[in-house]
Amino acid sequence: QQQVKQSPQSLIVQKGGISIINCAYENTAFDYFPWYQQFPGKGPALLIAIRPDVSEKKEGRFTISFNKSAKQFSLHIMDSQPGDSATYFCASKGGADGLTFGKGTHLIIQP
Amino acid sequence: KAGVTQTPRYLIKTRGQQVTLSCSPISGHRSVSWYQQTPGQGLQFLFEYFSETQRNKGNFPGRFSGRQFSNSRSEMNVSTLELGDSALYLCASSLGPTEASEQYFGPGTRLTVT
Repeated sequence: QQQVKQSPQSLIVQKGGISIINCAYENTAFDYFPWYQQFPGKGPALLIAIRPDVSEKKEGRFTISFNKSAKQFSLHIMDSQPGDSATYFCASKGGADGLTFGKGTHLIIQP
Repeated sequence: KAGVTQTPRYLIKTRGQQVTLSCSPISGHRSVSWYQQTPGQGLQFLFEYFSETQRNKGNFPGRFSGRQFSNSRSEMNVSTLELGDSALYLCASSLGPTEASEQYFGPGTRLTVT
């Protein structure tokens, strides 16, 4: 089964610090890599996404780093704030397939 | 622009019954995908509809089915409910086919099977 492995499962970061979440995929046909943020009782919200033609994409405090040869990608949250406390999911997709999600990272930003 | 809406938000059913969930995509979006979210299995793809046609289906039994209407609204149906079907069912909306469009999720329908 095509998998996306996400780590860590949980992460505690001090306010103002950098939060880093990593994902690794197996299927070389994947060509779209989004990150979603989910708050309790809500659906996942698209945060940022990247395609393999670039190695990095930045939107505000959120950056995706992508390593095609290693089949890994990561989310960096700069200047982490308490409002960033949520569950983060990486996902991968190829062609007309559905999104394949990682298991999620529960992020807590301590004030 | 209004987001993805799903109805009902909460549902309690008995084992063996069937259930229909509804999803209205973002205005102008023509693709709808369905996902199941459980604590154990995480987020899993159910199926995708575009222009009233099912384009892809995940690894779920035939008890799970769906359809899309000409106005892009979609329904999914689960027949002969099992306890393990208890989950958050999420609908995601895309402007066009999902290989070229980003997916935006609704708030989900929380289904509890007793």
